[in-house]
Amino acid sequence: GAVVSQHPSRVICKSGTSVKIECRSLDFQATTMFWYRQFPKQSLMLMATSNEGSKATYEQGVEKDKFLINHASLTLSTLTVTSAHPEDSSFYICSGQASNSPLHFGNGTRLTVT
Amino acid sequence: AQRVTQPEKLLSVFKGAPVELKCNYSYSGSPELFWYVQYSRQRLQLLLRHISRESIKGFTADLNKGETSFHLKKPFAQEEDSAMYYCALASGNTGKLIFGQGTTLQVKP
Repeated sequence: GAVVSQHPSRVICKSGTSVKIECRSLDFQATTMFWYRQFPKQSLMLMATSNEGSKATYEQGVEKDKFLINHASLTLSTLTVTSAHPEDSSFYICSGQASNSPLHFGNGTRLTVT
Repeated sequence: AQRVTQPEKLLSVFKGAPVELKCNYSYSGSPELFWYVQYSRQRLQLLLRHISRESIKGFTADLNKGETSFHLKKPFAQEEDSAMYYCALASGNTGKLIFGQGTTLQVKP
């Protein structure tokens, strides 16, 4: 079945630094990728939608300059958390979708900002 | 407003007992609903979608537009069903999903 690989699974960084999270579709072409964020004991909240080759569309309240999303190819999307702060600590999950197909989720990345 | 509500954070049953995980939604158009499951230490994966009207691992879910519900049911729970279950609503044709808060199902031996 279709697989989405997300890396790293866990990262700890210092406040003020930037962190990049990669999301790869391994055996399908993800024309659209979604990035979600999940706080402890809360639901997944959509942060942004990215289509290959175009700018990401961010949900209301999500700072596009802080959460940089790149979807340069049909198999790779990246989320960079810039100038991270402790409040950015969360679980970030990506999902990929080929045209008119179900979503396939990555394993998630646990980000801890100290 | 588009919203998905799962009223129970935790549902604990004994093996062999019936299970019903509740999901209610709020959506102005024609809804497309899903159930996702996340087993311990695994990724979120699709369990079933209402369009398919299928039964997966013994689970079924019927869309009730009158009650705006999409409850997930299984007549006889198994220990391996223990997991986190999320109900989700697709927003338009964008592929965006709106998730409920999730319900942890705990099946005791």
